[in-house]
Amino acid sequence: AQSVAQPEDQVNVAEGNPLTVKCTYSVSGNPYLFWYVQYPNRGLQFLLKYITGDNLVKGSYGFEAEFNKSQTSFHLKKPSALVSDSALYFCAVRDQNSGYALNFGKGTSLLVTP
Amino acid sequence: NAGVTQTPKFQVLKTGQSMTLQCAQDMNHEYMSWYRQDPGMGLRLIHYSVGAGITDQGEVPNGYNVSRSTTEDFPLRLLSAAPSQTSVYFCASSYSTDLFDSGANVLTFGAGSRLTVL
Repeated sequence: AQSVAQPEDQVNVAEGNPLTVKCTYSVSGNPYLFWYVQYPNRGLQFLLKYITGDNLVKGSYGFEAEFNKSQTSFHLKKPSALVSDSALYFCAVRDQNSGYALNFGKGTSLLVTP
Repeated sequence: NAGVTQTPKFQVLKTGQSMTLQCAQDMNHEYMSWYRQDPGMGLRLIHYSVGAGITDQGEVPNGYNVSRSTTEDFPLRLLSAAPSQTSVYFCASSYSTDLFDSGANVLTFGAGSRLTVL
């Protein structure tokens, strides 16, 4: 079975500081990892994904994520947070052995304060 | 381009009633799926489809039916609503399921349907 864990329900960061939102995964085959963001009362939006290749993946709005196979992690990062980054962030995984579907984590609420 | 359109946006049902949540996409996406979002539970996959005439169960399929008669439409049917089905439902689609296609699993989400079962 494939799954992701987001160990923090909420992350608080001051504007201008770097931010990290954590994600670890568990799969039986090669992992394919994704980050999505949800703004209030909206559907989710795609940020970035790792399929293969470089462990550092760059995505939308200045976000990046680092795939770490030994630690089974795929943490989302941004060098300098903006108040407008405040939202709910979801990590998701697809396992090559488990079909087509994406399984999402429980989400992490990011609050960036001025 | 309308993207993914869900109707209705809000619905209140009584226990035992049935209803259908509609989902339509105009992007010629082959993959469509339904998720439910509950506080503290994240998004859980209900059913998905990789093309017209093909559907499969996700993590929480009980109490729900789907069909995919056309590429564009993927309705979710609640057979006999229960309070445990109170949730926000999201339909999502993607162009491809081929992992090495740039569009694979890049889901476009609808705005959501908020369902309350009394």
